[in-house]
Amino acid sequence: AQKITQTQPGMFVQEKEAVTLDCTYDTSDPSYGLFWYKQPSSGEMIFLIYQGSYDQQNATEGRYSLNFQKARKSANLVISASQLGDSAMYFCAMRGGGADGLTFGKGTHLIIQP
Amino acid sequence: NAGVMQNPRHLVRRRGQEARLRCSPMKGHSHVYWYRQLPEEGLKFMVYLQKENIIDESGMPKERFSAEFPKEGPSILRIQQVVRGDSAAYFCASSPSRGQLRVEKLFFGSGTQLSVL
Repeated sequence: AQKITQTQPGMFVQEKEAVTLDCTYDTSDPSYGLFWYKQPSSGEMIFLIYQGSYDQQNATEGRYSLNFQKARKSANLVISASQLGDSAMYFCAMRGGGADGLTFGKGTHLIIQP
Repeated sequence: NAGVMQNPRHLVRRRGQEARLRCSPMKGHSHVYWYRQLPEEGLKFMVYLQKENIIDESGMPKERFSAEFPKEGPSILRIQQVVRGDSAAYFCASSPSRGQLRVEKLFFGSGTQLSVL
């Protein structure tokens, strides 16, 4: 069985600071993918970044980077130079282990303060 | 350049009625996934379909819920005889293929908020 744990239910961060959102995962499958999604108050799920278990380098997408530590089974999302528009729920998810669906964590509610 | 389209955006039903949720995948995508999000929770996988086939329905409740993805037209998630506990946001996602390592990226629609009175 796969499991995603996000230990930070909420975070308050000052604008322009860097943010790290924690995510740990559990799977026995050597092949898996890790995803981060953003869900603003409007409700849609926005894909941010993806990391494959066999990828040698940490994924980066603009201001988003994924700090992938395979031995520790962690996949933290780093947002550089946070902006007010980054305020949202952030979900870590994984796919693998023969499952077709994504397994999601409970999310972190990020609030960026001016 | 349309993304995954879901409608309606909001759906209100009385207990005992039927709810039909529609999802049109991104152009070129033939794989559709349905997820349910309860308040204050992450998304939970329900079902995975390809055109005319249900591939994985391990997350679907055994009764009252069904899904289809016909050769023509959108995917439909149908909930019969709705109850208050069915109130949730229902998301559809699509991908172009299953992916060799099942790590294909999924792109989500904006969701349908179902409210059961």
